[in-house]
Amino acid sequence: GAVVSQHPSRVICKSGTSVKIECRSLDFQATTMFWYRQFPKQSLMLMATSNEGSKATYEQGVEKDKFLINHASLTLSTLTVTSAHPEDSSFYICSARDSRTVNEQFFGPGTRLTVL
Amino acid sequence: AQSVTQLGSHVSVSEGALVLLRCNYSSSVPPYLFWYVQYPNQGLQLLLKYTSAATLVKGINGFEAEFKKSETSFHLTKPSAHMSDAAEYFCAVTVYGGSQGNLIFGKGTKLSVKP
Repeated sequence: GAVVSQHPSRVICKSGTSVKIECRSLDFQATTMFWYRQFPKQSLMLMATSNEGSKATYEQGVEKDKFLINHASLTLSTLTVTSAHPEDSSFYICSARDSRTVNEQFFGPGTRLTVL
Repeated sequence: AQSVTQLGSHVSVSEGALVLLRCNYSSSVPPYLFWYVQYPNQGLQLLLKYTSAATLVKGINGFEAEFKKSETSFHLTKPSAHMSDAAEYFCAVTVYGGSQGNLIFGKGTKLSVKP
């Protein structure tokens, strides 16, 4: 149980285009989903927290107009990187939390974004 | 506010040797503590967690960790390293009901296992 998937696993795009990453909880309802960014050889940095049906809460320094997060259902959240630039290249990981396990997050496999 | 410090960004052991990965935390309230493992280009897999029950926590793949409040530590150990243990390990802390359960991660420790 508690499986989280991400799609795509890897994406390469041209500078200036937008990329959408999906995060799905496959066997539970995720009241809260988290989006992290991980640079090479570094730790995970929380970008934003989203609750189903509400606007996402962004961490300081994260541009909400650039990283659009939608959590329209209890099993799906999307992160859209708008007008992507090479510096947005990174490993993006989502996690989801079940309302019954308030303090445990289940992580997706990550999405490698490369912007040319 | 909570924080996590992982001592040693890189630990190298021989196959069959003891694995010890260090984690110290800072929290003004009783914490929940986690160890995750990450293989290259993959997400995080939970190894074990401490949630105020037993102080010695056993996890998957033969790993265990002991919560020591007096030392504010939650070090990860495994008696005998296996080649497949080579990966990046992250310690994380959160508090019950705090900040929607946000996890604060340490910087990670890369474990290498020599044959």
